[in-house]
Amino acid sequence: QSVLTQPPSASGTPGQRVAISCSGSSSSVARNPISWYQQLPGTTPKLLIYNNDERPSGVPDRFSGSKSATSASLAITGLQSDDEADYYCASWDDSLNGLLFGTGTKVTVL
Amino acid sequence: QVQLVESGGGLVKPGGSLRLSCAASGFAVSDYYMSWVRQAPGKGLEWVSYISRTDYANYADSVKGRFTISRDSAKRSVYLQMNSLRAEDTAIYYCARYSGLNSQEFDYWGQGILVTVSS
Repeated sequence: QSVLTQPPSASGTPGQRVAISCSGSSSSVARNPISWYQQLPGTTPKLLIYNNDERPSGVPDRFSGSKSATSASLAITGLQSDDEADYYCASWDDSLNGLLFGTGTKVTVL
Repeated sequence: QVQLVESGGGLVKPGGSLRLSCAASGFAVSDYYMSWVRQAPGKGLEWVSYISRTDYANYADSVKGRFTISRDSAKRSVYLQMNSLRAEDTAIYYCARYSGLNSQEFDYWGQGILVTVSS
């Protein structure tokens, strides 16, 4: 499986928790660290999570990452209207010898 | 501060060539792995290529043999030479910096440059 599969959409009301999954394979997610990117409408992607669960300086702790076997997850707690964006996971794939991005998830705040 | 600025995009006919440039400021491109990532209109992100600190280059299968990444440390720039362009290469192309040695994430991205392949 040479793709990272994400649900196409996720939604929640302000203050709720939203989780986005990222499913890969033994040659990608299982062996390599996951990163997550947020792309607000019309803007450049921004690094949210790296090394599976670490946050760069300036990223609120409302965003958290986790990984288990061939799957990873991004959780957003205390959902805000500013969180409406596309979210992508990424992982190196040892079989492809290339970087894979997830299929992307559009988060909508209801 | 760190900044990446792409240039060189535009409209090109199928089979044509284009050279993208990425001008870096705030750091030395020779000290970092650098990459190109693209995004077709309305689609997701696709990794295109990277160049290591020792000038080793790697490419996605979709561009292998047609695209070449290079670096000019003196000009603080990274390039993407794109040959034999196809309609499916139409996308916004982003220059991105890996955050550090052995890292696999991009900490800085350029604003992107649009490449349109059409007759």
